[in-house]
Amino acid sequence: EPEVTQTPSHQVTQMGQEVILRCVPISNHLYFYWYRQILGQKVEFLVSFYNNEISEKSEIFDDQFSVERPDGSNFTLKIRSTKLEDSAMYFCASSREEEKLFFGSGTQLSVL
Amino acid sequence: DQQVKQNSPSLSVQEGRISILNCDYTNSMFDYFLWYKKYPAEGPTFLISISSIKDKNEDGRFTVFLNKSAKHLSLHIVPSQPGDSAVYFCAARYSGNTPLVFGKGTRLSVIA
Repeated sequence: EPEVTQTPSHQVTQMGQEVILRCVPISNHLYFYWYRQILGQKVEFLVSFYNNEISEKSEIFDDQFSVERPDGSNFTLKIRSTKLEDSAMYFCASSREEEKLFFGSGTQLSVL
Repeated sequence: DQQVKQNSPSLSVQEGRISILNCDYTNSMFDYFLWYKKYPAEGPTFLISISSIKDKNEDGRFTVFLNKSAKHLSLHIVPSQPGDSAVYFCAARYSGNTPLVFGKGTRLSVIA
């Protein structure tokens, strides 16, 4: 069964450093998403991406965040200058039109 | 501002009995509702969904009920199995391919 793949599974970084979280969505999906879950809290929407551009983003997705689909298969989330409060599990998801989302296993980001 | 609320953080059920997980929402514009299941160290996996034009959807042991007037939905699992032990997230979205809004989740423990 096709799945969404995320790398790395764990990322530890120093505050102020840049991180790039990588995702390979399911190949025939058209919509791509990043969500995150801070420990003990709900899963929160960050951004959705369709047709090579951001279609929607939340308040969390400020200027420190960016997304890219550099080569037609990978989908990346970049945090330019990490803060302590960026520590969370980041989930990539993809979907076809009007259907359920398929999530990856997540990247646990720890900012020290 | 919690648009999707799961008021029970945890639930314990005996194997073979029925598990009922509840979810309330505040926004009447939501028109599609989903349940996701999450095991530790994995991403959420889709379980079952329901459109706002229906009041019940069944898939094997899983049934989702929607009461639009009460803005309430519930997930019934019968019979419950130990492998059902996981965190269950209720999610909702507006029409079109809009971001999912998640509840905080309910941890279900099925005791053998």
